Amino acid sequence: AQSVSQHNHHVILSEAASLELGCNYSYGGTVNLFWYVQYPGQHLQLLLKYFSGDPLVKGIKGFEAEFIKSKFSFNLRKPSVQWSDTAEYFCAVNGPYTGTASKLTFGTGTRLQVTL
Amino acid sequence: DSGVTQTPKHLITATGQRVTLRCSPRSGDLSVYWYQQSLDQGLQFLIQYYNGEERAKGNILERFSAQQFPDLHSELNLSSLELGDSALYFCASSASGTGNIQYFGAGTRLSVL
Repeated sequence: AQSVSQHNHHVILSEAASLELGCNYSYGGTVNLFWYVQYPGQHLQLLLKYFSGDPLVKGIKGFEAEFIKSKFSFNLRKPSVQWSDTAEYFCAVNGPYTGTASKLTFGTGTRLQVTL
Repeated sequence: DSGVTQTPKHLITATGQRVTLRCSPRSGDLSVYWYQQSLDQGLQFLIQYYNGEERAKGNILERFSAQQFPDLHSELNLSSLELGDSALYFCASSASGTGNIQYFGAGTRLSVL
C-alpha cells in the first residue's frame, strides 16, 4: 500500500525565514503528487500539484515543490514565509490507479507556526 | 470556496446513535470521496464513489456506509456510534476518478458524547 511520510511534525519559523518541508512516498510507479494546506478551522486547499513534466512546480502564495523521482520525494519550499502562512500542510499522493478508482494517501501533516 | 458543500457543519450525538452526513460535489464532478480526520489517525481515506457506483474503499468500518445518488450528491451513514468516531469528516470531489485534483468541502465535525 502507498504510504507518505512527512518528517517534520511541527515547525516554528520567524517571518521572512525560508521554509522547506519534507515529503517522501513509497510507491515507485506513476503517481500524482499534491500539497494541501489547512488554515485553522478551514478546509483543505490545494497549494500545488505535480502530474508530469518539469519537476519544479510552482503553486499559489509563493510556494513551490520539487519532485525528485530517484528519492521518492516531493519537498515543499517557500523562500520567505509570512505570518499568514501559519497552517497545517499535508503532502498527498494519488496512485496507483485502477480505472476510475482513485484515492489520496496523506502524510500526517506538518504544523507550521510563523512568529512575528 | 471549493464548490463542495457539506452539511451539517457540526453534529453532536450520543454513543449508539446513527447519523447521516451529506455532501454535494462541485457542479459536473462525477467522483465523490470521503475522508476522516482525527488527531490520532490523521487524514484517512474512507470510500470513493464514481457516478453512483463504489470505486475504491479504504479504512471504512462496517458500521459506516455511503452512497451516491443519481444527482451525484453523496451521503455517509455512521451507525452504532462510538466515542472514537468523533472526528472531522471531509468530502471531496473530482471531475472523474483517476489523477484528477480533489476539491474538499469544509467538513462536518462529529462529536460523539
